[in-house]
Amino acid sequence: QVQLVQSGAEVKKPGASVKVSCKASGYTFTSYYMHWVRQAPGQGLEWMGIINPSGGGTTYAQKFQGRVTMTRDTSTRTVYMELSSLRSEDTAVYYCARGRGDGYKYVFDIWGLGTMVTVSS
Amino acid sequence: DIQMTQSPSSLSASVGDRVTITCRASQSISNYLNWFQQKPGKAPKLLIYAASSLQSGVPSRFSGSGSGTDLTLTISSLQPEDFATYYCQQSYSPPLTFGGGTKVEIK
Repeated sequence: QVQLVQSGAEVKKPGASVKVSCKASGYTFTSYYMHWVRQAPGQGLEWMGIINPSGGGTTYAQKFQGRVTMTRDTSTRTVYMELSSLRSEDTAVYYCARGRGDGYKYVFDIWGLGTMVTVSS
Repeated sequence: DIQMTQSPSSLSASVGDRVTITCRASQSISNYLNWFQQKPGKAPKLLIYAASSLQSGVPSRFSGSGSGTDLTLTISSLQPEDFATYYCQQSYSPPLTFGGGTKVEIK
């Protein structure tokens, strides 16, 4: 079945970087865009950006420009999200979410279980 | 950026009740509006996309309507498994933005 398996929880110090992975299975990896969405504890959902697994093209939310990098490895069907210069406000669950096909690339139809990233000194 | 405002932020309802949640966009988004359900400790789940299209596998008691700036999610007869937080999300243009959420609690 279609699923997205994310890497495990991370604890980082302020100023460090974190790289979260999301491995896709059950569908043609290069045919669907992938998004990253985060959720701080007790808060709402925040979109970070999108990557096209086919060509690697990306669009980032302006808030994260310069700090976030999304990449993909087609040989392992994995997308990555790296966030640098971490601060306490980056403590959140980070989700990868597939963009629905059929022209609805900005609709999130399949979600990973999430990766908790804690930033603490 | 397009701001999405949900109302109410929370509500209490009983099993069998009809529940309506509203999402207002800061500009017209046509029908580029999606609804998600999230339970504690879980990832969000897509319920409705393109304002009124039911995602595969979602019960028909969920429906969406509206266009432009005011859109709604309706649960026709609330079931015990529907107690959760609901989010709207605009897919009109990046940056993609979410409403603040509506928590549906048991009365």
